[in-house]
Amino acid sequence: EPEVTQTPSHQVTQMGQEVILRCVPISNHLYFYWYRQILGQKVEFLVSFYNNEISEKSEIFDDQFSVERPDGSNFTLKIRSTKLEDSAMYFCASSFFGGQPQHFGDGTRLSIL
Amino acid sequence: GIQVEQSPPDLILQEGANSTLRCNFSDSVNNLQWFHQNPWGQLINLFYIPSGTKQNGRLSATTVATERYSLLYISSSQTTDSGVYFCAVGGYQLIWGAGTKLIIKP
Repeated sequence: EPEVTQTPSHQVTQMGQEVILRCVPISNHLYFYWYRQILGQKVEFLVSFYNNEISEKSEIFDDQFSVERPDGSNFTLKIRSTKLEDSAMYFCASSFFGGQPQHFGDGTRLSIL
Repeated sequence: GIQVEQSPPDLILQEGANSTLRCNFSDSVNNLQWFHQNPWGQLINLFYIPSGTKQNGRLSATTVATERYSLLYISSSQTTDSGVYFCAVGGYQLIWGAGTKLIIKP
């Protein structure tokens, strides 16, 4: 069964540095998403992406964050000037269409020191 | 925005017991999914069930969309069922409940 893959599985970064989290969505899916989960808390929506542009974003997704689909397979989340509170598990997901089931990757655990 | 409430927050059972987890949501939705988060943090997709009933082995789920709730049933629990169960609802973005932490004791 096709799956969403995320790299790296764990990223440790110094506060203030930039970090890029990478995802390869399922190949025929058209919608892509990023979510985050701070340790012990619920999962929170960050952003959705369709047709090479952001379709929805949450209040969390401020100017510090950006997303990109640099080629036909990768989908990236960039966090500029990381803060301690950015430490979380970041999940990428994809779906064939909006409202259809979202398939999740295994996540990237981001630790900011 | 849509509110999602899950109950109970914690559940401790002996192996072999049955359980029912509930998810209430505040508005009509196009998407409702149940996930199991295992101890390694992975989100395992259990059901896509915006309405109706589905079964997969020992697990089944029912969503009554008109009354805005969904139920996840786990029968004959095993220790590997332990973890956090999340309900997530929405259309294009998923809004998540706080989860039910399930512990199955041998």
